[in-house]
Amino acid sequence: AQSVTQPDIHITVSEGASLELRCNYSYGATPYLFWYVQSPGQGLQLLLKYFSGDTLVQGIKGFEAEFKRSQSSFNLRKPSVHWSDAAEYFCAVGAMDSSYKLIFGSGTRLLVRP
Amino acid sequence: NAGVTQTPKFQVLKTGQSMTLQCAQDMNHEYMSWYRQDPGMGLRLIHYSVGAGITDQGEVPNGYNVSRSTTEDFPLRLLSAAPSQTSVYFCASRTGLAATDTQYFGPGTRLTVL
Repeated sequence: AQSVTQPDIHITVSEGASLELRCNYSYGATPYLFWYVQSPGQGLQLLLKYFSGDTLVQGIKGFEAEFKRSQSSFNLRKPSVHWSDAAEYFCAVGAMDSSYKLIFGSGTRLLVRP
Repeated sequence: NAGVTQTPKFQVLKTGQSMTLQCAQDMNHEYMSWYRQDPGMGLRLIHYSVGAGITDQGEVPNGYNVSRSTTEDFPLRLLSAAPSQTSVYFCASRTGLAATDTQYFGPGTRLTVL
């Protein structure tokens, strides 16, 4: 069965520092992978997605993610974090069944120190 | 476009009460779905619809009903609320049925069942 693991529940970084959020997936074929961000009290906003091709994907707000098949990972990165990046981040994989659902990880909450 | 809208934003129910969570989208998307978000568990699919008049169950459908009489609206009904249904509920719509299509989320409804 498909699954997504985000091993870090919380991460705290200083403003201006680099960021990497980890995501591991379980799926036999090439997965469809997504990163969403949820600001406090808000819905989920798509940051970026990977389907095929170049394994380094650029997204909005200066985020990027790298697909590594050998490690079953799709880690999210940002070179310099801003205070407004404090939010919860969800990695998801597209289910390959008739539900067309997204299978989400449990999320990583990012805290940004001034 | 307003995107995906949900009402109400907050709701408190007593055990056994019924209510309907409203969801509407103005993007002419055929696919709509309902997720619930619980702490440490990410989002889980409740019900989904691939078009007007067509609905199906997701991972956690028990205690919920849906119908889809129009393309725009996809209400979620709680027939007899239980404390286990305390959660944040997100409605989503997507541009199509291809796995690569983007899913858009509403702002959520925070439901507490006492």
